[in-house]
Amino acid sequence: DAGITQSPRYKITETGRQVTLMCHQTWSHSYMFWYRQDLGHGLRLIYYSAAADITDKGEVPDGYVVSRSKTENFPLTLESATRSQTSVYFCASTLTVGNTEAFFGQGTRLTVV
Amino acid sequence: QKEVEQNSGPLSVPEGAIASLNCTYSDRGSQSFFWYRQYSGKSPELIMFIYSNGDKEDGRFTAQLNKASQYVSLLIRDSQPSDSATYLCAGGPIGFGNEKLTFGTGTRLTIIP
Repeated sequence: DAGITQSPRYKITETGRQVTLMCHQTWSHSYMFWYRQDLGHGLRLIYYSAAADITDKGEVPDGYVVSRSKTENFPLTLESATRSQTSVYFCASTLTVGNTEAFFGQGTRLTVV
Repeated sequence: QKEVEQNSGPLSVPEGAIASLNCTYSDRGSQSFFWYRQYSGKSPELIMFIYSNGDKEDGRFTAQLNKASQYVSLLIRDSQPSDSATYLCAGGPIGFGNEKLTFGTGTRLTIIP
């Protein structure tokens, strides 16, 4: 399917476990982003990537790791999940550098118990 | 800290009326602004962006930017029940990627039939 897809859509995990959220886009967009959305905080940037093998921290990177070996994939890993990482996670992509429309995946609702 | 502030609502508007959503920002370096619509349980989707002072119209939607007063607004004319959603305002500097965007917490709009 064309577009940007996230998996899984829902995930429950235990404190201390490693979890990887997947993001795949078919547009060959250069930029990809990971956000978390929590009540009262809006969308906060975790990590972003300008191209394959180029990643950088956003506003709230602690506890997360990303990689981007291929343009189309941008997985987000929680190395040791904590309850404070319970959130809805959105992956997004933009065609180029510069302020432009971001296309969002469907989101992953993660619950850490 | 760069902030984008929105009234969380809920804002209730009768069907057919004008819905007015407001956003203020603290960073005078912000030059580009985006309005995203997010239906409950769904991902954000872009509906308008504005870079210049004044009004920008697209169908039933009008974005207004006043850089001197540091506010952005979104007007929805002839409101429809399908406009019921949360509206996210985002702002950032021109010439950078979306990694520089700051999102507000969103205003929940309900259109009453």
